[in-house]
Parts: sequence; structure tokens; C-alpha cells
Amino acid sequence: GDSVTQMEGPVTLSEEAFLTINCTYTATGYPSLFWYVQYPGEGLQLLLKATKADDKGSNKGFEATYRKETTSFHLEKGSVQVSDSAVYFCALSAMKTSYDKVIFGPGTSLSVIP
Amino acid sequence: DTGVSQDPRHKITKRGQNVTFRCDPISEHNRLYWYRQTLGQGPEFLTYFQNEAQLEKSRLLSDRFSAERPKGSFSTLEIQRTEQGDSAMYLCASSYTSRAYEQYFGPGTRLTVT
Repeated sequence: GDSVTQMEGPVTLSEEAFLTINCTYTATGYPSLFWYVQYPGEGLQLLLKATKADDKGSNKGFEATYRKETTSFHLEKGSVQVSDSAVYFCALSAMKTSYDKVIFGPGTSLSVIP
Repeated sequence: DTGVSQDPRHKITKRGQNVTFRCDPISEHNRLYWYRQTLGQGPEFLTYFQNEAQLEKSRLLSDRFSAERPKGSFSTLEIQRTEQGDSAMYLCASSYTSRAYEQYFGPGTRLTVT
């Protein structure tokens, strides 16, 4: 079945470091891909999305490119801030019958230290 | 628009008791979803509604679980005869039908069964 795999955490970085969180997926057809973020004590928020191959999603300095050939959607940010500390979830949505079911990876916890 | 809201935010109950959670989606959204999230995992799909019709239920949703959306607006999720294994975060999300992949999540209800 469809699934998402992402790198295990926790990840700890110093402020202004470069961030990469790896994500790979398995799906039939052509899923849409997402990164969601969950800040401490808050609900999940959609961070960025890409709906077709080679699309690049971007938001708040984060980027991810939909790579169909490697079935990947790695999250990157050039310079992280303390406020980026959160749990990041890679997800996909593949059309199943009449609805788009979102399947989440296990999440990667990021801590950014000053 | 105040986003998706859920009530209560936290619920502690004893094994065997019944609990009910409420979700108020974004008003223009006609789709409403319930997910369950356990510690260290991504959310898992439970069920979803298109207006007042419940169109899909996961195998995770045992007979002790029931969800309603009587007027196509707010939804309730009831768990009867709670078990310790039901302890989790219960998340609600909503979306437009035409953009079902873009789901907006509430802050969740954390259930602890003692």
C-alpha cells in the first residue's frame, strides 16, 4: 500500500545551520506530496506542497522538490532559526475512490539551539 | 475565519467510560476528517464526511467508535467503553471537496484512559 518514510529524529542543529530532512514515498499513480509542521502545543499546519513531478513547494524559507525518479520529497532550509523547532511530517495524498486520503510519515523532531 | 476548533483539548477518563469529542470545521469546508495520532507517529486516518454523509471508515475504527456530522457542520466522535489503547491525540481536519488534499487541522483532543 501507499506509505511514507522519513528520516528518524530527533535532529538537533545550531541556529543558522542548513537543514535537510529526507522523505521517500511509495504510491501507485501520481500522488500529491506535502510537508506539515507541528509546533509545540499546536495543531498540524500545512507547510508546503507539490502536486506533480519536478514541482518545487516553498514557504517560510523551506523548500522541497517532487522527484518522481527517486520517489523523494526532501525538506530543506538554508538557515534555521530557533522558532523552526517543531515536528515535521512528510505526507502524500493519492486519490482513492472518491476522496484524497492523506498518509503521513512518522514525523521528524527538530530542535534548533541558539 | 478562526480555523478548525476542537473541544475539549484534554480528556482524562477511566477505562470503561464513554467519551465524546467535538470538532468545528472551517465553515466553508464541506469535508471533515478524523485522525488518530499516537506518540511518535504520524496521524492515521479514521473516517471522513462529505457534508453530513460518512463516506469512509478505516479498519482502525472499531465498533466502539462512532462519528456523526448531523447537519453537515460540526462533528462528534464518540468512544464507548474506553480502553487504555484508546489513549491518543484525536485530530480533526477539514477541506474543500475540490481540494481535498489540502486539509486544515485542528489542535486535537488528547485522550488519556487510566
